[in-house]
Order: sequence, then C-alpha cells, then structure tokens
Amino acid sequence: QSVLTQPPSASGTPGQTVTISCSGSSSNIGSNSVYWYQQLPGTAPKLLMYSNDQRPSGVPDRFSGSKSGTSASLAISGLRSEDEADYYCATWDDTLSGQDVVFGGGTKLTVL
Amino acid sequence: QVQLVQSGAEVKTPGASVKLSCKASGYIFSFHTMQWVRQAPGQRLEWMGWINGDSNRRYSQKFQGRITITRDTSANTAYMELSSLRSEDTAVYYCARDLGIVGPAFDPWGQGTLVTVSS
Repeated sequence: QSVLTQPPSASGTPGQTVTISCSGSSSNIGSNSVYWYQQLPGTAPKLLMYSNDQRPSGVPDRFSGSKSGTSASLAISGLRSEDEADYYCATWDDTLSGQDVVFGGGTKLTVL
Repeated sequence: QVQLVQSGAEVKTPGASVKLSCKASGYIFSFHTMQWVRQAPGQRLEWMGWINGDSNRRYSQKFQGRITITRDTSANTAYMELSSLRSEDTAVYYCARDLGIVGPAFDPWGQGTLVTVSS
C-alpha cells in the first residue's frame, strides 16, 4: 500500500471544479512540501505542481495546490477534456537514514 | 531543450539482470541528480533511487541489494541495473532529472523503458 493516500478516482463535467486529496503523516507531508504529477494515458508523468502550490512554467492557472497539516489537495477548475489523466502526489518521507521519495496511489480523473 | 532518452524495451527471464540507460541533453549533466522511478502495469509510481553529481546514491529499501545506479558524466548518461529479476519487476522504468528544489521535483522524465520478465 502507498504511504500517501489518494482516492482512486474522481470525475467531473467540463467547466466544473474537481479536487483531489492526498493524505499522509507527520514524517512525510507533515514536514515536507508536496508535489503533483499529471500522467496522460500512455505517457510519462509531468510535473504539475511543486512546493505545495507553485506551478511550473506552462501549467495553466486552472490548476492549484494547497497543503494543511498532513494533507494536501490539487484543485482543477474549469475542467477540460484534456485534463483526463492520472494524478499523483509525491513528497519526501523522513526516515532514520535519510529521506525517501514517496508517491500516492494515484487518482484517475474522468471528464464526463 | 532538456531531454532524457532511455534505452529500448527489454525481455528478461527470471533471475537475470537488466541494465537500462538514460542519456541526457540540453543541460549540464553533472549539476543535477538523476532519479529512477518505475510503474508496473496499471499500478502507481514507485521510487527506486537516485544518483547525484558526486555519484552519491540512495536506494529505496525495497530494492537494496538488487539495484545499482551509476552515471558516466563524459557520456551524459545514467544507468540503472536491477538484478535477480522476478515477474513482479515487469514495469516501465523511468529516469527523471531532479530539479534540486527541496522535494521530489522531477522534470523532465524520460520516455520510459518497458522491462518484461517472463520465462
């Protein structure tokens, strides 16, 4: 099972706002920034959000991120058909020997 | 532009080893850590390990003893070798450049290499 918990699926109609959650613990989200990746069908993941709420160049402002305590969220407003993809959260997990990278289980977004 | 090009698909029998390559271009190779992530069919992303510009490495505990990540700065290429392959290692393996922000900011990713382990 994943260290970070995401809902397996989410859906919305064009124009709607959809929110995807990512739940962790004090050793990961609670003490580190959260990152989000978008994986379109059959392609490699793409960095969508970094440092909780920062968008890389080229990512539309329809995408926004937030973090509170040991949870984080990715919101997609003005939903479009091309947003249909898998979304993964990621962060560091602090261990006794250092920091490991952990991913959520992924959320499959369907645009109805 | 920054690009990572990975080696081609591999088919291996159980117990064998596989060595994948990831050739970088468009940036100063030694300035960035290279990460390796895999994805089994229909499954989540799974972090495997990294190597930095000084060839320091960190591996996921899950793969300790079976994984070796190396880099050849003269060839701008990183490698990931996984040994004692089993069917559960069938996956697409990705390399990704670490941006160096405080956290797992990986961009870009290679196109992925499919490794199939089957007898």
